[in-house]
Amino acid sequence: DQQVKQNSPSLSVQEGRISILNCDYTNSMFDYFLWYKKYPAEGPTFLISISSIKDKNEDGRFTVFLNKSAKHLSLHIVPSQPGDSAVYFCAASAVGGNEKLTFGTGTRLTIIP
Amino acid sequence: DTGVSQDPRHKITKRGQNVTFRCDPISEHNRLYWYRQTLGQGPEFLTYFQNEAQLEKSRLLSDRFSAERPKGSFSTLEIQRTEQGDSAMYLCASSYSQGGDEKLFFGSGTQLSVL
Repeated sequence: DQQVKQNSPSLSVQEGRISILNCDYTNSMFDYFLWYKKYPAEGPTFLISISSIKDKNEDGRFTVFLNKSAKHLSLHIVPSQPGDSAVYFCAASAVGGNEKLTFGTGTRLTIIP
Repeated sequence: DTGVSQDPRHKITKRGQNVTFRCDPISEHNRLYWYRQTLGQGPEFLTYFQNEAQLEKSRLLSDRFSAERPKGSFSTLEIQRTEQGDSAMYLCASSYSQGGDEKLFFGSGTQLSVL
């Protein structure tokens, strides 16, 4: 049972344009959502997070949007840079879940120079 | 470097052998997590510690797996009688729990190959 889904395994975007990565979840108990970025042979690196009491959180070029009614969140990167090429994981934790994260399967983002 | 450290980075073993991995969390972090990642999948939760107490174990953690965190500092994950299906990246993460939403910091992982 995949509680966090990233339906696009890969995405290619031209440098300077906006990258939009999507994530859907099924567990209504999830109340905290995070995006991690992963380079080959390295562990995931925290990028940005959002609590369920908000619908938007912004940090520099990265913005995460949360639509609780649709159980959907998205990560916007603008402008996209070559260094953004990596695998992006959406993750979620539940109320009282002790920060245990449930991850999606990831989206490989490739920025085309 | 004050990040999460894992050792070894790579381990190749023969089926049936025992292996042990070590994780050194960020020093002030009281929570430590083990995850496993296979090709094409996201990391899957295995177990976590608050200080030295192991508070939760996933059903993925069979009885061949054991984890410890003596004195609430570093942690070890041991796999006994390894099987080819154990081949994966084993990731350790840590966090400082303050009762709210905290992010996990991950190490670079140990890549296990069972031949």
